[in-house]
Amino acid sequence: DGGITQSPKYLFRKEGQNVTLSCEQNLNHDAMYWYRQDPGQGLRLIYYSQIVNDFQKGDIAEGYSVSREKKESFPLTVTSAQKNPTAFYLCASSSGSASPLEQYFGPGTRLTVT
Amino acid sequence: AQSVTQLGSHVSVSEGALVLLRCNYSSSVPPYLFWYVQYPNQGLQLLLKYTSAATLVKGINGFEAEFKKSETSFHLTKPSAHMSDAAEYFCAVTSDSNYQLIWGAGTKLIIKP
Repeated sequence: DGGITQSPKYLFRKEGQNVTLSCEQNLNHDAMYWYRQDPGQGLRLIYYSQIVNDFQKGDIAEGYSVSREKKESFPLTVTSAQKNPTAFYLCASSSGSASPLEQYFGPGTRLTVT
Repeated sequence: AQSVTQLGSHVSVSEGALVLLRCNYSSSVPPYLFWYVQYPNQGLQLLLKYTSAATLVKGINGFEAEFKKSETSFHLTKPSAHMSDAAEYFCAVTSDSNYQLIWGAGTKLIIKP
């Protein structure tokens, strides 16, 4: 079955530690996205990538970093510079071509930093 | 720049009643529009999308939405609510560049027995 996997589902870290969230897709999509979701708020774009080895900052990129070395993978690192990292993180992908920006989502990773 | 407004952070309806979730966008050029649903602690799932074909769009789980250019609206409806419809619903519109989606703040749908 094609889809997007995010691991782990729940992640706990101590303040000051960097943590990497995994996102893998087997949909052969060109574009991939990372969103942050906080309680009662919508989705805020952290980073997106339209093609391998290229990515752009979204609205809230500070304190985060990404890489796109392979088409199917788009890991997100939450660095110690991110002041409020506790949130629900969603990864998505889209074909970027024929179907206009219909995004497919992974199940999310809930990160708790104490 | 594009923006999306969802009226009402929470909407409560009785089981069997009509569901109406409102979405308005700001654009002089008809964009592509989407409704997504999110169940607790899960990712988002596409309900339906408008891509400049029919203005009345039917989606999954009995939902539909009508694109009204004159009102810049894309409201989501379902004739009869079911307990399983309780979730958060997000409206989204393509950005001016067409490479991103602009998201509404979401509406939490509560179903009363």
